[in-house]
Amino acid sequence: GDSVTQMEGPVTLSEEAFLTINCTYTATGYPSLFWYVQYPGEGLQLLLKATKADDKGSNKGFEATYRKETTSFHLEKGSVQVSDSAVYFCALSDLNGANSKLTFGKGITLSVRP
Amino acid sequence: DAGITQSPRHKVTETGTPVTLRCHQTENHRYMYWYRQDPGHGLRLIHYSYGVKDTDKGEVSDGYSVSRSKTEDFLLTLESATSSQTSVYFCAISQTSRETQYFGPGTRLLVL
Repeated sequence: GDSVTQMEGPVTLSEEAFLTINCTYTATGYPSLFWYVQYPGEGLQLLLKATKADDKGSNKGFEATYRKETTSFHLEKGSVQVSDSAVYFCALSDLNGANSKLTFGKGITLSVRP
Repeated sequence: DAGITQSPRHKVTETGTPVTLRCHQTENHRYMYWYRQDPGHGLRLIHYSYGVKDTDKGEVSDGYSVSRSKTEDFLLTLESATSSQTSVYFCAISQTSRETQYFGPGTRLLVL
């Protein structure tokens, strides 16, 4: 079945550091890919998405490119801020059948120190 | 923000008691979902609904039932709560199954 693998966490960075969070997936067909973010005490929010190979999703300085050849969707940001401290989830949406469903990775906690 | 509320936001209950969690939306989205979030597991789908009275099982449906009698409400019931059901429960909605899901604020459930 479909699966999403995220790098192990937690991750702690200093403000203005470069961020990469790895995400790889296994899926039949051509799924859509998502990054969701969960700030402390809140529900998940969509950060960015990509629906086909080579698409780049971007939002709030974050970027991720749908790489079909490496089945990856790594999240990057050039300069993190303390306000980026959150849990980040990679997810895919299978397109099989009438009702697609999201499959999530385990999430990774990012802490950014001043 | 999508109009999604969950109630209660926090609940403590005892093993063996029934528990019902409510998800309410004001967006008129067709699809509604219940997930649980546990450390080391990410989010796992419990049940989902693709219309009034239309529901289906997710990855971890054992011990849970759902009902959707109107578009705006999706109820999750634990018939006889167990300690393994201690978790944070999230509701989500989407217009179609292939579009972005929007999440509620979550319900923190502790089963003693």
